Amino acid sequence: DVKVTQSSRYLVKRTGEKVFLECVQDMDHENMFWYRQDPGLGLRLIYFSYDVKMKEKGDIPEGYSVSREKKERFSLILESASTNQTSMYLCASRRQGLAEAFFGQGTRLTVV
Amino acid sequence: ELKVEQNPLFLSMQEGKNYTIYCNYSTTSDRLYWYRQDPGKSLESLFVLLSNGAVKQEGRLMASLDTKARLSTLHITAAVHDLSATYFCAVDVMDSNYQLIWGAGTKLIIKP
Repeated sequence: DVKVTQSSRYLVKRTGEKVFLECVQDMDHENMFWYRQDPGLGLRLIYFSYDVKMKEKGDIPEGYSVSREKKERFSLILESASTNQTSMYLCASRRQGLAEAFFGQGTRLTVV
Repeated sequence: ELKVEQNPLFLSMQEGKNYTIYCNYSTTSDRLYWYRQDPGKSLESLFVLLSNGAVKQEGRLMASLDTKARLSTLHITAAVHDLSATYFCAVDVMDSNYQLIWGAGTKLIIKP
């Protein structure tokens, strides 16, 4: 069974903290994505990676960075968390070519 | 600008009725995906449409793709309460193996 696993379902962090969101996939997919989802704004792409150590900015990269040291793992880093980063974060992966994306269960992050 | 537009964005309907959700897109693409999201949950793949004229059906849901019109439809037949969810369409960007452009989602409420 296809699986994308995010490290936490719920997180509460303080303003200014450095926050790590981890995502692991077991499908040997080349491509991995981080989205945030806010009411009324749909899915917005933060960063994606098409290979190990390769990354590209999405639509809203400001305040975030990513790391992909191994093919199966893609980490999202909030360098200094702020309250406007309170959101649902979704990780996804897909293989190259004509393929659907598979999503993790989501991490609901609250920054206080 | 690459755009995917869904309509309606919100739909409240009675059980037993039929309805259609529309997904228009502005880019040249022959690959379109439909996803379902339950409240507080992640996205689940419903249909993968990979060519002009593609039609897929699962239970009371049927999806089709017209690449010439740049239009996909998700048709609900004899709706039941369990189909209440938010439905997203997404389109592959041509010449890119990894980027998906997402619609804003259609929130569907089916009343008993």
